[in-house]
Amino acid sequence: IAGITQAPTSQILAAGRRMTLRCTQDMRHNAMYWYRQDLGLGLRLIHYSNTAGTTGKGEVPDGYSVSRANTDDFPLTLASAVPSQTSVYFCASSDRGSTGELFFGEGSRLTVL
Amino acid sequence: GQNIDQPTEMTATEGAIVQINCTYQTSGFNGLFWYQQHAGEAPTFLSYNVLDGLEEKGRFSSFLSRSKGYSYLLLKELQMKDSASYLCAVRDSNYQLIWGAGTKLIIKP
Repeated sequence: IAGITQAPTSQILAAGRRMTLRCTQDMRHNAMYWYRQDLGLGLRLIHYSNTAGTTGKGEVPDGYSVSRANTDDFPLTLASAVPSQTSVYFCASSDRGSTGELFFGEGSRLTVL
Repeated sequence: GQNIDQPTEMTATEGAIVQINCTYQTSGFNGLFWYQQHAGEAPTFLSYNVLDGLEEKGRFSSFLSRSKGYSYLLLKELQMKDSASYLCAVRDSNYQLIWGAGTKLIIKP
């Protein structure tokens, strides 16, 4: 089934540890995004990539890094996790040539202790 | 600053009609989106408005007034499965999406 795959779906992590959330899409969309979603807040953009080889900072980029080596993959890395990074993380992609609607992965629930 | 406002929670009865409002103040406007998100799941696309007026898609309709910075999502013939959060998002002049916090819709039998 075409779409976006995220891994892991859930993870408990000790503070200070490094963690990479994986995201792969097979729709050949140019743009990809990482959001975090916290209770009572809207989706907040962490980083984005408009095309392979380029990335940009979103609203809340501190403590996170991304890479876009190819069209399909867009991993998000927490270099040294902190409890405030406990959240649900969604990867999304869009075809900027159309309406630009976002297609979301199923989410990764991360708990930092 | 940029801001999207929508009610935190609404309650409606199965079979009825409900209107979820969204007001926005953004740096430019390149379209407004509505997404549905069931608890514990990912958001899914419902509708897109870029011109003023009403877009109808089955039981769901979305309205936009750019001059008023206002949109609403209208859900008709409510079903229990419509219990979800509804997210309003505006694409600004930098082509970035600004998201509201979402409206949790509770459907009662």
